[in-house]
Amino acid sequence: AQSVTQPDIHITVSEGASLELRCNYSYGATPYLFWYVQSPGQGLQLLLKYFSGDTLVQGIKGFEAEFKRSQSSFNLRKPSVHWSDAAEYFCAVGRTGANNLFFGTGTRLTVIP
Amino acid sequence: DTEVTQTPKHLVMGMTNKKSLKCEQHMGHRAMYWYKQKAKKPPELMFVYSYEKLSINESVPSRFSPECPNSSLLNLHLHALQPEDSALYLCASSQAGTSGGYEQYFGPGTRLTVT
Repeated sequence: AQSVTQPDIHITVSEGASLELRCNYSYGATPYLFWYVQSPGQGLQLLLKYFSGDTLVQGIKGFEAEFKRSQSSFNLRKPSVHWSDAAEYFCAVGRTGANNLFFGTGTRLTVIP
Repeated sequence: DTEVTQTPKHLVMGMTNKKSLKCEQHMGHRAMYWYKQKAKKPPELMFVYSYEKLSINESVPSRFSPECPNSSLLNLHLHALQPEDSALYLCASSQAGTSGGYEQYFGPGTRLTVT
């Protein structure tokens, strides 16, 4: 069965610093992987997705993620964080056999000046 | 247009009330979803509609009743809710299929409070 683990519940970074949010998945085949961001009280916005091909995926708002099959990871990165990036970040895996996503528990990002 | 709209934004209802949440998309998507999200938790899937037919019901109590009147609209009818049902209710849509590879587009949610 598919599962997603986000080991970090809460991360604090300084504005302008680099960011890496971790995501590990468990899946028997090539996974479909997604990163979503959610600002407080809002819906989820898709940052990027990986289906196949190039393992480094570019997304919106300057985010990128790298798929590493050997490590079962799909970590999200940003070279320079802005205060507006403070939000909850969810990694998700596509659930085959059904049109559905399975979400990780989320990582809350705090950005300090 | 990648927008999913939800109404109302906020809803307060008593345990004996009947109310409905509405969701609309005009992206031509044939799969639509209801999620429930409690504070500091990920979204939990409730229902999936595919081609206007209910394809997944994640053992949701019968006090929640979904409806998909056409390919653009999704409703969630609420009746006799409990205070623990207070949450953010999110609607999403995507292309339909079973590959698992279709990204979902989410609405802003309805904040429901049951008193």
